[in-house]
Amino acid sequence: AQRVTQPEKLLSVFKGAPVELKCNYSYSGSPELFWYVQYSRQRLQLLLRHISRESIKGFTADLNKGETSFHLKKPFAQEEDSAMYYCALLHAGAGNMLTFGGGTRLMVKP
Amino acid sequence: DTGVSQNPRHKITKRGQNVTFRCDPISEHNRLYWYRQTLGQGPEFLTYFQNEAQLEKSRLLSDRFSAERPKGSFSTLEIQRTEQGDSAMYLCASSSSDREKLFFGSGTQLSVL
Repeated sequence: AQRVTQPEKLLSVFKGAPVELKCNYSYSGSPELFWYVQYSRQRLQLLLRHISRESIKGFTADLNKGETSFHLKKPFAQEEDSAMYYCALLHAGAGNMLTFGGGTRLMVKP
Repeated sequence: DTGVSQNPRHKITKRGQNVTFRCDPISEHNRLYWYRQTLGQGPEFLTYFQNEAQLEKSRLLSDRFSAERPKGSFSTLEIQRTEQGDSAMYLCASSSSDREKLFFGSGTQLSVL
């Protein structure tokens, strides 16, 4: 069965420190992974997807099929990065159905 | 605001009552999704429409739950005989095609007393 695990419920760092939000998945097919973010009082929105291999707001994520991971990284955290971050796995052949992880709350302290 | 719109924002009801939520997707989007989110958890998929056809339903969607999208535009999610365990945030999302990003609404927070 497909599953997404985010082992940390809360991650607290100081401004300027590196950030790594962990995501591990289990999926029998070829995975397609995303990071969604929810800032305070805002809607859940797409941050980035692995197929785009892009950097958004300084964040990057590399798919590691050997370790079944898709960790989100940023070298220097900013206070405005404070938010809930959700890793999500796409189900091929099931429309655009996503399985989400439980989320990690990132707090960036000044 | 041309984003996904959900109504009501909050709904408080007594156990056993029926409730109905509405979702208006982005107008050109033919795909519409319902998710449920409980405290401390990520969103869980409930059901998916492509135009007016309901193509996928989660096992989470018991027979007390029914969703419709009659004209391929807005959608409704009805919960009959609500239970306290139905208390959650109900999220709607839409997209323009397969594998495109989902645009989420602000959700409807349901509290069953």
